[in-house]
Amino acid sequence: RKEVEQDPGPFNVPEGATVAFNCTYSNSASQSFFWYRQDCRKEPKLLMSVYSSGNEDGRFTAQLNRASQYISLLIRDSKLSDSATYLCVVNRPGTYKYIFGTGTRLKVLA
Amino acid sequence: EAGVAQSPRYKIIEKRQSVAFWCNPISGHATLYWYQQILGQGPKLLIQFQNNGVVDDSQLPKDRFSAERLKGVDSTLKIQPAKLEDSAVYLCASSLGPTYQETQYFGPGTRLLVL
Repeated sequence: RKEVEQDPGPFNVPEGATVAFNCTYSNSASQSFFWYRQDCRKEPKLLMSVYSSGNEDGRFTAQLNRASQYISLLIRDSKLSDSATYLCVVNRPGTYKYIFGTGTRLKVLA
Repeated sequence: EAGVAQSPRYKIIEKRQSVAFWCNPISGHATLYWYQQILGQGPKLLIQFQNNGVVDDSQLPKDRFSAERLKGVDSTLKIQPAKLEDSAVYLCASSLGPTYQETQYFGPGTRLLVL
């Protein structure tokens, strides 16, 4: 089983739609969780850290489910500019080494 | 604040040749990472430095790849000799220091094509 797994997509959604991605991780002792965004041919950039209590930033909501070992990202009222690849990142327990998922590609259609 | 700088941005070489990439992290960032990103995949950590010491290089193909971070600032990653499967984007990232929930800041990457 991979340490971090994501559905590669693509998820094609119309503007204004709500879309959610999940990311599963294999090691229950992982402590740090993130979502990064990567535009085509660009570098990854931090979108959100994911905290145990869940967190929200505008149209974006991130949640952690430790029991089922997954994190989620919910995007409300999708914009064309949200089209990108969303990378899930989890630390290897006991280390500051971060494992990236393969990414989930989102296309928001006009 | 200046971001992470990398050069060159693009490089095309033939297999068995050598290539070197350079990275200048954000000023004051103690931790520096080199990642390899193959098309359609997420970044894979090659090596992680804390100041000028290596924290993790478990996925660095040491028979052909080497990296150094002199004086705990700039870093270079070298491939010698290159193979076709080394074609990828090489990303450098830096962060303030080793803590959990640490934000990594990435440079624009170097696109390497090995023919």
